[in-house]
Amino acid sequence: GDSVTQMEGPVTLSEEAFLTINCTYTATGYPSLFWYVQYPGEGLQLLLKATKADDKGSNKGFEATYRKETTSFHLEKGSVQVSDSAVYFCALTTNAGKSTFGDGTTLTVKP
Amino acid sequence: DTAVSQTPKYLVTQMGNDKSIKCEQNLGHDTMYWYKQDSKKFLKIMFSYNNKELIINETVPNRFSPKSPDKAHLNLHINSLELGDSAVYFCASSPGLAGGFGELFFGEGSRLTVL
Repeated sequence: GDSVTQMEGPVTLSEEAFLTINCTYTATGYPSLFWYVQYPGEGLQLLLKATKADDKGSNKGFEATYRKETTSFHLEKGSVQVSDSAVYFCALTTNAGKSTFGDGTTLTVKP
Repeated sequence: DTAVSQTPKYLVTQMGNDKSIKCEQNLGHDTMYWYKQDSKKFLKIMFSYNNKELIINETVPNRFSPKSPDKAHLNLHINSLELGDSAVYFCASSPGLAGGFGELFFGEGSRLTVL
């Protein structure tokens, strides 16, 4: 079946540090790939997405590239802020409409 | 106007009771979902409905019964609550089959605590 594996957390960084959260996936066909963010006490919200190979999704300084050859969708940000502290989920959605989520990575950014 | 709204936000109840969570979306989406998030933040899909028809039914105890009276509403009823049912339950919607599914829009969650 489909699966998403993302870097285990928690991750603690200082403000302005570089962030990478690794994500790899297994799926049949050509899924769409997503990063969702969950701030404390809230539901998940879309951070960025990519729908086909070599697409780059970007938003709020975060970016991720759909790499079919390595089945990866790593999340990066050049300079994190305290307000980026949250749980980040990598996910895929198949053409049949089923979404599979990674286990989430908790990021804490310290001033 | 909240796109995906679910009520109640908090439920505290005793083992063995029955409870319901309601969800409504005003995005005009065709597909709605229920997800369960445990204390470690793991997110698992439970059910999905497309235009009122069940399309995804993961391995969930029979005590959980979803109902979709129309495509804008998806409710979750839980019978004979157990301690292990304590979690945050998220409703979500997406454009559905016609819209290529796409991203999920989540509600704020309903935190269920079973004592």
